[in-house]
Amino acid sequence: GEDVEQSLFLSVREGDSSVINCTYTDSSSTYLYWYKQEPGAGLQLLTYIFSNMDMKQDQRLTVLLNKKDKHLSLRIADTQTGDSAIYFCAEGVRANDYKLSFGAGTTVTVRA
Amino acid sequence: GAVVSQHPSRVICKSGTSVKIECRSLDFQATTMFWYRQFPKQSLMLMATSNEGSKATYEQGVEKDKFLINHASLTLSTLTVTSAHPEDSSFYICSARGTGTSGTYEQYFGPGTRLTVT
Repeated sequence: GEDVEQSLFLSVREGDSSVINCTYTDSSSTYLYWYKQEPGAGLQLLTYIFSNMDMKQDQRLTVLLNKKDKHLSLRIADTQTGDSAIYFCAEGVRANDYKLSFGAGTTVTVRA
Repeated sequence: GAVVSQHPSRVICKSGTSVKIECRSLDFQATTMFWYRQFPKQSLMLMATSNEGSKATYEQGVEKDKFLINHASLTLSTLTVTSAHPEDSSFYICSARGTGTSGTYEQYFGPGTRLTVT
């Protein structure tokens, strides 16, 4: 089955790094995604990683995948006030035609 | 990334009326589109999956006669909320998935439609 869990809140100081964590359950052919949602808006795809990869970096974003523990993290370097948002972790499994299962979302608050 | 639009962004309607929401993929062809519902401070709940030219597949507990979905072309899907009631008030978000090796696994979301039923 698919069950994605993530912590609900994160507060970080501007300029520091943010790390958002997520766990998932399905270890088969899986894509894992990070989306960002600002108030009143849709979801913005930030990045995604396939389950046979360990790491993916894209500018300030680094995704780390620990397959053994089924743990996914998103690190945002040099966090800015514009990074304040809700971040959703999602899993897409081949057996379910890659339909996305979402975590509850982590609300990231960046303080000056 | 690819762009998905939704129209309208906000709609207020009276109880008992029907409302249509459009979802368009602007710069790619979407063989599959998804409709989600999001309650305040909650995650997204998948309502249905629509494939171009075929009937939508609804998730358990979603009334297909109430939430009519049409995916008439590779760039347009519509959700019609029929006989709307106040409990249907919500934020409705669509997403679109492309074709091709990488496009199949990238799902892009629209900006959402805020429906308020009075």
